[in-house]
Amino acid sequence: EAGVTQSPTHLIKTRGQQATLRCSPISGHTSVYWYQQALGLGLQFLLWYDEGEERNRGNFPPRFSGRQFPNYSSELNVNALELEDSALYLCASRRIGSGGATDTQYFGPGTRLTVL
Amino acid sequence: AQSVTQPDIHITVSEGASLELRCNYSYGATPYLFWYVQSPGQGLQLLLKYFSGDTLVQGIKGFEAEFKRSQSSFNLRKPSVHWSDAAEYFCAVGYTGTASKLTFGTGTRLQVTL
Repeated sequence: EAGVTQSPTHLIKTRGQQATLRCSPISGHTSVYWYQQALGLGLQFLLWYDEGEERNRGNFPPRFSGRQFPNYSSELNVNALELEDSALYLCASRRIGSGGATDTQYFGPGTRLTVL
Repeated sequence: AQSVTQPDIHITVSEGASLELRCNYSYGATPYLFWYVQSPGQGLQLLLKYFSGDTLVQGIKGFEAEFKRSQSSFNLRKPSVHWSDAAEYFCAVGYTGTASKLTFGTGTRLQVTL
């Protein structure tokens, strides 16, 4: 079974540009999560999508947005890039259910975004 | 609000020695608890998880963790560390329901000396 995949592996942008990151969940998983891992700030929850809807959002400005497609893959968009947006962006997927094993999030390898 | 504390930023152990990484959580209900491992520049790999039942859980790569409700702890252990275990280890607590997300500790970087 294929794991969570993310593209691109690395992305270099300049300040003010827009970045688009992509994530494909594990087959059968309907929920996708995005996390930011910035140097010195740890792993922070960004967004949660399930069944095409945004379900929860972390403490990030509106220029961080995304969507989930009918095939459950997801995009994270970051507009008006700032230097401090440089980070590893991790996507995770989960199979929604009644709890137990279905509450486990499985992570992809991440996209390293560098803003110059 | 839920929170996770990993008091040790950096730990160094000799290969073959035992290991214990500490994790304390703050959460109003019975938590879902996880340990993940991250090698440099990589994503997170799930080591083990606790949802309910037996408080001693076994994971991959010979790791285990014990849930102690009275101490709000979920410490990770391994009886004999291998050089390949050098990585960063994250403890996380999970919400369920509409607020679903993981809250992570700040991580413990493990260095293994030969």
